[in-house]
Amino acid sequence: GENVEQHPSTLSVQEGDSAVIKCTYSDSASNYFPWYKQELGKGPQLIIDIRSNVGEKKDQRIAVTLNKTAKHFSLHITETQPEDSAVYFCAAIQSSNYKLTFGKGTLLTVNP
Amino acid sequence: DGGITQSPKYLFRKEGQNVTLSCEQNLNHDAMYWYRQDPGQGLRLIYYSQIVNDFQKGDIAEGYSVSREKKESFPLTVTSAQKNPTAFYLCASGRGPGELFFGEGSRLTVL
Repeated sequence: GENVEQHPSTLSVQEGDSAVIKCTYSDSASNYFPWYKQELGKGPQLIIDIRSNVGEKKDQRIAVTLNKTAKHFSLHITETQPEDSAVYFCAAIQSSNYKLTFGKGTLLTVNP
Repeated sequence: DGGITQSPKYLFRKEGQNVTLSCEQNLNHDAMYWYRQDPGQGLRLIYYSQIVNDFQKGDIAEGYSVSREKKESFPLTVTSAQKNPTAFYLCASGRGPGELFFGEGSRLTVL
């Protein structure tokens, strides 16, 4: 089955700095890679995703990059704000099945 | 508003009791999922259902049971056979593989 490794487990940045979270996956058949943000006491929310036919995707301050050869993908947040503080999860899935495998999460703290 | 509704938000159970967590969605999604979240463990898949009257075990199904009699509903029963049931339980529905919409979660504590 798929295995997703996520690093770092915690990340602390100053407001306005950039934050980068990295994930690796094991199954070369995986072709969809979503990122979720979870605020304290709430359910995760999909914030951005990327498919294997694309190398990079951007949405305002958030971007995701994918390197299929190396089997890793990354989340980039620029100009961080205190409201970006949350736990972020990466995930991977083959579009032929319905089992999404998650990384263990990164606790991002943005200090004012 | 469309979304996923989980209830109850908090639940306390005595050892040896079965409990059922409710999950309802009005997003017209075919697929529904149950995940368990423990500190430092990420989200682990318990059961999932791609269509009404059909469901599959996830990675940690032992001690849990589900049903999918209606498209909108996917209740999870935590049985007394589950050795360590205290956790945060998340239900989700999906419009396609991987594009999940999560509920707000149910926190179960065994006393």
